[in-house]
Amino acid sequence: GAVVSQHPSWVICKSGTSVKIECRSLDFQATTMFWYRQFPKQSLMLMATSNEGSKATYEQGVEKDKFLINHASLTLSTLTVTSAHPEDSSFYICSATQRKKLTGGENTGELFFGEGSRLTVL
Amino acid sequence: EDKVVQSPLSLVVHEGDTVTLNCSYEVTNFRSLLWYKQEKKAPTFLFMLTSSGIEKKSGRLSSILDKKELFSILNITATQTGDSAVYLCAPRNNTGKLIFGQGTTLQVKP
Repeated sequence: GAVVSQHPSWVICKSGTSVKIECRSLDFQATTMFWYRQFPKQSLMLMATSNEGSKATYEQGVEKDKFLINHASLTLSTLTVTSAHPEDSSFYICSATQRKKLTGGENTGELFFGEGSRLTVL
Repeated sequence: EDKVVQSPLSLVVHEGDTVTLNCSYEVTNFRSLLWYKQEKKAPTFLFMLTSSGIEKKSGRLSSILDKKELFSILNITATQTGDSAVYLCAPRNNTGKLIFGQGTTLQVKP
């Protein structure tokens, strides 16, 4: 099946530093990727929608300058948490829709998630 | 504003029991509804429902959608301890955006 790879899976950083998280679709082209954040015991909250080759669309309340999203190719999107602070500590998850499978196969329209990245800011 | 409500929020059962998880939604430009199972990491896909009244089954799990009444249910029969997880309901709109419910935490005791 379709695979979305997210890296790193776990990162600890000092307050004030920036952290980049990568999201790759391994065997399909993802024209759109989504970035979610999940706090402990809460559901996933959509942060932004990332479209290849254009600016990301951010959800209300999400700071564009703090959470920089780049969707440079059909298989890669990155989320950079700039000047991270302890309150940014969370589980960040990307997802992508299987629009076209590079190796052939059925396009089911399913949304596949990366493994998630747990960020801890000290 | 889009809204998704799952019930119950948590559930404790014993192995072998059958459970029904509920999801009601109000989503503009609704296209489909997805169910996910989340254990320790990212959610894993269970079902995608686009049509009313057509049950989807996968082993002991099944799900159905009612687009008129705006709800979906997820059934798990003969539950096992491995079914313990958070089950997330997520309607999707025409832009592909998923709106997640708060989840139902299921605990299956031996």
